[in-house]
Amino acid sequence: DTGVSQNPRHKITKRGQNVTFRCDPISEHNRLYWYRQTLGQGPEFLTYFQNEAQLEKSRLLSDRFSAERPKGSFSTLEIQRTEQGDSAMYLCASSLRGKGYEQYFGPGTRLTVT
Amino acid sequence: QKEVEQDPGPLSVPEGAIVSLNCTYSNSAFQYFMWYRQYSRKGPELLMYTYSSGNKEDGRFTAQVDKSSKYISLFIRDSQPSDSATYLCAMSPNTGFQKLVFGTGTRLLVSP
Repeated sequence: DTGVSQNPRHKITKRGQNVTFRCDPISEHNRLYWYRQTLGQGPEFLTYFQNEAQLEKSRLLSDRFSAERPKGSFSTLEIQRTEQGDSAMYLCASSLRGKGYEQYFGPGTRLTVT
Repeated sequence: QKEVEQDPGPLSVPEGAIVSLNCTYSNSAFQYFMWYRQYSRKGPELLMYTYSSGNKEDGRFTAQVDKSSKYISLFIRDSQPSDSATYLCAMSPNTGFQKLVFGTGTRLLVSP
């Protein structure tokens, strides 16, 4: 098991463009989480999946953001019409059900919107 | 006021020192308390978690939770330059999906 992986590691895009990130969780983990981290801050929760069902979304997740986990394995996070304020590190984590306190994070995708 | 408060530092210590990192919180529903280490431009790495009050030790690391004071600590013994990183505390309730609520992180610098 190689842990949580995320791609790409770094994305530079122009304002107004759409971007999509991918997360591959630890294989036996049925819960998958997305967080956003800005400079000098701790990660902030965005959304989470139990298998393929998206069960909770933060108020931070505006309607320009959409996340999917189509087969309960990998997940994608798409941001439409990016804004400079979207520049951040997007982190994915996974855990076993019932062990949400034991979340393992991927290396993150750093988004820069110019 | 944030649910979890953490001094951002930086905290500078010489190699071999005992380091004390702390967080306070306001939500009495928090039952699980985690410490993560994050190197620059990397994802957070789970160091240890504690349930409710008490102490937990893992090698050079000791986590303490005082729920009556809403105060948690992480102690690092015999600190090494490789411990230089940002340390994040995180907390979650015992119900629901256990969303993690993080502090801002404390930057630790251990000099040789």
